[in-house]
Amino acid sequence: EVQLVESGGGLVQPGRSLKLSCLASGFTFSNYGMNWIRQAPGKGLEWVASISSSSSYIYYADTVKGRFTISRDNAKNTLYLQMTSLRSEDTALYYCARTSGAYWGQGTLVTVSS
Amino acid sequence: DIVMTQAPLSVSVTPGESASISCRSSKSLLHSNGITYVYWYLQKPGKSPQLLIYRMSNLASGVPDRFSGSGSETDFTLKISRVEAEDVGIYYCGQLLENPYTFGAGTKLELK
Repeated sequence: EVQLVESGGGLVQPGRSLKLSCLASGFTFSNYGMNWIRQAPGKGLEWVASISSSSSYIYYADTVKGRFTISRDNAKNTLYLQMTSLRSEDTALYYCARTSGAYWGQGTLVTVSS
Repeated sequence: DIVMTQAPLSVSVTPGESASISCRSSKSLLHSNGITYVYWYLQKPGKSPQLLIYRMSNLASGVPDRFSGSGSETDFTLKISRVEAEDVGIYYCGQLLENPYTFGAGTKLELK
């Protein structure tokens, strides 16, 4: 059974940093590109970042470019999102999703507030 | 960026009846490989989104065949035949043709 389990969310002050993780199981993680997608409270879906299976290709939404870094460790079956210079508008439920969105995690909530 | 426009924003359907949701892209989603990169997702209340349709018309694994997707290069439709209570939620179209990937605003389906 494919599982994606996010962790690392929490309450953080504006300007601070946070690192999210997504532990994958049930499939060969190193064969798939992965995405971070977020959803602000009561809002729709916003794609944040993508990384190819071997980390050769990485893309970011303009809203996070220069502040967020997506990475992966295929030996640990884990996807990461390093978030810096956090803003109130980054408050959202952050999902990791396998390429094409065939599988999603349950999400981890990031709240940016003083 | 490719803009995805969904209509309607909400729909109320009698159980057993059918429903259609439209999605329009600001640019052709037809790749030179012949694949149209539009996807449909359903987010049930309090749950993570789930994939319904991939590459415009392909039913995702485990999805009832009451769901179907169709369209052209820029205009797409999700049809739900014989709506059931479990179909309630917000439906999103999304394009995975090019970065940044983008989604429609969502269509909320309710039962009458």
